[in-house]
Amino acid sequence: NAGVTQTPKFQVLKTGQSMTLQCAQDMNHNSMYWYRQDPGMGLRLIYYSASEGTTDKGEVPNGYNVSRLNKREFSLRLESAAPSQTSVYFCASSAYGTRNTEAFFGQGTRLTVV
Amino acid sequence: SQQGEEDPQALSIQEGENATMNCSYKTSINNLQWYRQNSGRGLVHLILIRSNEREKHSGRLRVTLDTSKKSSSLLITASRAADTASYFCATDSMEYGNKLVFGAGTILRVKS
Repeated sequence: NAGVTQTPKFQVLKTGQSMTLQCAQDMNHNSMYWYRQDPGMGLRLIYYSASEGTTDKGEVPNGYNVSRLNKREFSLRLESAAPSQTSVYFCASSAYGTRNTEAFFGQGTRLTVV
Repeated sequence: SQQGEEDPQALSIQEGENATMNCSYKTSINNLQWYRQNSGRGLVHLILIRSNEREKHSGRLRVTLDTSKKSSSLLITASRAADTASYFCATDSMEYGNKLVFGAGTILRVKS
């Protein structure tokens, strides 16, 4: 029972570098999400994908892009990392949206941009 | 902008005591969910309460919802050291595009 798997767990980037955070779920869920968590601010939605083939912006999408590669995988890309993107990133999935269904979270990726 | 706000920000109690955390939100909702996060880990779903429900129980957890006051509370009875974690409420509402919006969380410490 892997659930939601994120890679990598830790990453240090230099300002301006790019990287892709990977997320995969094995629960046959339709919806997937990327959040960032900063101290004292809870989780903020970056992008989400209601179903395979669709993606939409969340609250803080600037500086990020996403790809819903297939039903299982949803990746988050930082094209030119900035120190303000230092955060813990969480991927989540749910069966179908969040209307009366719970979300399952990965263990997070701790990203530091120097 | 935060849809949900938890109160208190931090809570420290003795093992065996009850812990109550509150959540207030701004818009009408479809449902409200509570999650727990242990240090350095992902979030784990605890309870979902629909907008037409007033109270829900799960083991030592009791959640209430007052839609007229736009607030919810999470009660953990007979707390244990293992309950030490951060607790978040999250709301699903049409105004926020039917996406989960999280509050800043309550840090609970249970001392043994």
